[in-house]
Amino acid sequence: GAGVSQSPRYKVAKRGQDVALRCDPISGHVSLFWYQQALGQGPEFLTYFQNEAQLDKSGLPSDRFFAERPEGSVSTLKIQRTQQEDSAVYLCASRSQGMNTEAFFGQGTRLTVV
Amino acid sequence: AQSVTQPDIHITVSEGASLELRCNYSYGATPYLFWYVQSPGQGLQLLLKYFSGDTLVQGIKGFEAEFKRSQSSFNLRKPSVHWSDAAEYFCAVGARGGAQKLVFGQGTRLTINP
Repeated sequence: GAGVSQSPRYKVAKRGQDVALRCDPISGHVSLFWYQQALGQGPEFLTYFQNEAQLDKSGLPSDRFFAERPEGSVSTLKIQRTQQEDSAVYLCASRSQGMNTEAFFGQGTRLTVV
Repeated sequence: AQSVTQPDIHITVSEGASLELRCNYSYGATPYLFWYVQSPGQGLQLLLKYFSGDTLVQGIKGFEAEFKRSQSSFNLRKPSVHWSDAAEYFCAVGARGGAQKLVFGQGTRLTINP
């Protein structure tokens, strides 16, 4: 597609519920990133994929967070047993292969845990 | 650890006035440098980037930024702001090579007075 697409745009979850957030990167982009943006803050890195391989998950805040990209294209970020502190905007970004290339961001999914 | 500081949380300028948003970073080597803009409810749009070469970088919407290695700074400037420039601005750094995951500043919210 023309840009990075994320769905849903908004998600309200009850505390303890599991959620799944989807990211469709720009076609052909090898690298895919997930970021978490709390209210009033800058985005913070969660995890990174190169094709289907998850090469860096150092930013995932707990083992309740899980991400996958099984075919090297679409990615899903799953949060189990959601808690109020998980409320944030989750941004997905993709980048083409090469050194001097920039990341393109989706519009994000705003997750509210009530 | 890498960090990015945007000292000004909120800036208000009059339409037509000049603008400078500050960004300082702490990094082991010269990183890749970026400025992104985020309008309410939107994702991040890249304004400009520095990879190498000329330290004065031109971007979209009339923005420019200057990389100053001695000051570890990458300040964003615009000679004359428009009401449509009101948004949140984020400075980010990324490692040269590897995943190039981004570390963001806290952001500067820009308000434009008519």
